[in-house]
Amino acid sequence: EAQVTQNPRYLITVTGKKLTVTCSQNMNHEYMSWYRQDPGLGLRQIYYSMNVEVTDKGDVPEGYKVSRKEKRNFPLILESPSPNQTSLYFCASSLAGAVSTDTQYFGPGTRLTVL
Amino acid sequence: AQKITQTQPGMFVQEKEAVTLDCTYDTSDQSYGLFWYKQPSSGEMIFLIYQGSYDEQNATEGRYSLNFQKARKSANLVISASQLGDSAMYFCAMNSGNTPLVFGKGTRLSVIA
Repeated sequence: EAQVTQNPRYLITVTGKKLTVTCSQNMNHEYMSWYRQDPGLGLRQIYYSMNVEVTDKGDVPEGYKVSRKEKRNFPLILESPSPNQTSLYFCASSLAGAVSTDTQYFGPGTRLTVL
Repeated sequence: AQKITQTQPGMFVQEKEAVTLDCTYDTSDQSYGLFWYKQPSSGEMIFLIYQGSYDEQNATEGRYSLNFQKARKSANLVISASQLGDSAMYFCAMNSGNTPLVFGKGTRLSVIA
């Protein structure tokens, strides 16, 4: 089944404790992206990757890191999480993000709480 | 800068009736894509329908259709024969070229039995 998977789905952690949210897609998509969703603010892009070893900042990159060492995986790293990073996180992928007709398919979401 | 506006924070519709969710967009690009996503209470984002800026016909996918009015920069979602399972948040989004996908704030649809 073609899908985007994220792990973990739920995570409660404490301030300053490094964490990684994994994202994997099995559709051979070039483009991958991370979003966060907050009440009243909608979905905002954190980072995106046009291809392997190519990443770029989105609208809200502060406090996050990403890497794209292989096409299928795009982990999101929070080196020192803070309470303002409590949010619902989505990974998404599309065949080739440079083409405006591409549909982005989303993972199931990761609900993160930072205490 | 691109912008998506969804003016209806919440909508109610009777089961089996049709409902229209509004979306207007702003862009200076000629080539762009418009999308609708559904987010049920479980949280996942489900792709519903796509419309390209050069598509002359309105997109349809089952009970979903997109009323695309390019001159007015609107891309309203029409859901026909509403079902209880259609109760969810609905997001309009757009992208163009290399710009990231931009989302509206969403409309919460409640289907009443």
